[in-house]
Formats: sequence, C-alpha cells, structure tokens
Amino acid sequence: DTAVSQTPKYLVTQMGNDKSIKCEQNLGHDTMYWYKQDSKKFLKIMFSYNNKELIINETVPNRFSPKSPDKAHLNLHINSLELGDSAVYFCASSQDWTDKDTQYFGPGTRLTVL
Amino acid sequence: QKEVEQDPGPLSVPEGAIVSLNCTYSNSAFQYFMWYRQYSRKGPELLMYTYSSGNKEDGRFTAQVDKSSKYISLFIRDSQPSDSATYLCAMSGTGGSYIPTFGRGTSLIVHP
Repeated sequence: DTAVSQTPKYLVTQMGNDKSIKCEQNLGHDTMYWYKQDSKKFLKIMFSYNNKELIINETVPNRFSPKSPDKAHLNLHINSLELGDSAVYFCASSQDWTDKDTQYFGPGTRLTVL
Repeated sequence: QKEVEQDPGPLSVPEGAIVSLNCTYSNSAFQYFMWYRQYSRKGPELLMYTYSSGNKEDGRFTAQVDKSSKYISLFIRDSQPSDSATYLCAMSGTGGSYIPTFGRGTSLIVHP
C-alpha cells in the first residue's frame, strides 16, 4: 500500500510546454510538500500546504503553481518549462506542519526538459 | 558557504566495515537533526532523528550530534551491500520552522 504516490514517474517534454505532476498521500496527514532535487542532489523545499492552505512558498518562479484540492492531494503545475527545470521533484507529507521529525517522501518525478 | 555541508563521496567500503558519515553546519540555531537514506531512483526515507546534542542508537545505526562543534555523524556497524545508498543529513528548528535543510548527500557503496 503506497503511502505517498506521484504521477507520472518520468516526464520528458519540450521547452515552453506546460505540465502537471500529481501527488496523493493515504496517511491521513495534514501537511504536504513539494521538493526539487537538482543534478547535484541538493533537496530544496518549494512549497508546503497545511490542510489545503499554502504555508510555505520559497523563492520559486511563479511559473510553478501548486494546487491542493483536498488535504490528501497536492499537485504541481509548471508553465512555460525551461531547461533549468529539469530535476527530480519529490512530494512529501507529515502529520502536521509542526511535525519535527518524519516526512514521508514519494518516489519522485524525473522531469527532463529538452 | 552552504548552511549544511556534506561530502558527496562516493565512499566505498568492504562488507562488514564500520562506516562514518558526517555533516557540518553553520547555523547554531538548528535543534533537530535527521538522517535520511535514499536508494537510487527512490524517495528519501527517514533513518534516524535526534533532538539537540547526544547519541542515539538503532540497531546497526548510531547518530551523534555535537552542537558545540556544529557537527553530526551517522555510524553504520557491520555494513551490508544493502546499505549502499545516498545518505542525506537534514536539520531544522530555526525560527520556529521545522522544514528541514538538507545536505547534498553522501553516496555509500558497500561491496561484498
């Protein structure tokens, strides 16, 4: 039973296109996150939602727009894709936004922009 | 200087060796310290979590935090080929935020 799932697993697309990545968690957690892991393996927080409300929005271009239709889902839409957007995007969840330890990560979406 | 520094490796050791993985950090306000393990093409999974200074042991894994030196370590005893993965340190707790700041990860290879 997958705790945090993401689709698609791989995404190859051309510059300038718009794409979405979906994330779902079945852990009953209140808080969900999007991270970006670049080619050097640095994992950086992009957004965090708590109970469908945006609580963290790091310095991310506004071409990236997260959407949380309910607390079990957090989708990421990216407009006008650029070469530098190529990375692995991880969704994660935690019990709530004050959870100090465990974040559960999804398997990642490997985005390649050509 | 990055907030969290971690040697990317790779670190290659024979099966059965004791492995020492380390991170240094610059922000003395960090209070919570974590180690995540990430297998190739998978998401990170939490391995160890420590609050403030001290040691914590879980099976073959021991996490150490030395806040005075701003240095954390993860020791793996009797390393196995299945321990081959990237190990990311992470820390949080500054300014009321619990979002972790990650190191870049150390790639560990345990060969039979």
